[in-house]
Amino acid sequence: EAGVAQSPRYKIIEKRQSVAFWCNPISGHATLYWYQQILGQGPKLLIQFQNNGVVDDSQLPKDRFSAERLKGVDSTLKIQPAKLEDSAVYLCASSQLGRGRNNEQFFGPGTRLTVL
Amino acid sequence: EDQVTQSPEALRLQEGESSSLNCSYTVSGLRGLFWYRQDPGKGPEFLFTLYSAGEEKEKERLKATLTKKESFLHITAPKPEDSATYLCATYSSASKIIFGSGTRLSIRP
Repeated sequence: EAGVAQSPRYKIIEKRQSVAFWCNPISGHATLYWYQQILGQGPKLLIQFQNNGVVDDSQLPKDRFSAERLKGVDSTLKIQPAKLEDSAVYLCASSQLGRGRNNEQFFGPGTRLTVL
Repeated sequence: EDQVTQSPEALRLQEGESSSLNCSYTVSGLRGLFWYRQDPGKGPEFLFTLYSAGEEKEKERLKATLTKKESFLHITAPKPEDSATYLCATYSSASKIIFGSGTRLSIRP
């Protein structure tokens, strides 16, 4: 079974530039998550999708971050414009179950973003 | 406000020296508590899910337990390959997912 795919693996940009990350979840997984992990900290949930709908985006900085999941499969996360404090690893995860009893999440390798 | 706190931040053990990692939580309506392992440069890897106080789960040298306020990850006779960061996370009735900051575990041969 193929795992969660993410690209790119690394990205270096200057502040005020835009960047986009792509995620393809495990086939058949209804729920998709985007996390931000700053060095030395645990992952922070940015947004959770179930199929096409948003379950939780309470911690997504909506003035600069946006995410979409078209057709309930792959997803993109965009930052526009980027700030220095956005430097982090962006993790995508997917799981079989959505609301209710939450099942295990499978994580991708992440995209390491450096903002100069 | 929901909160998850892990301790210690870092732990260095000798091979074979058993110990426990702690995850304390304040969550309204806990639906599940998860343990993950994260190796450098990789995404977290699922270990266990615990749903109710008193529940225990085991996998090789790892055993996870849950009370109404905290969870423990017990490591028995660890090996160098158990070195990693161990993360706990909670899932609440409000559909909120919160991760702790992790415990960096290092096992010396």
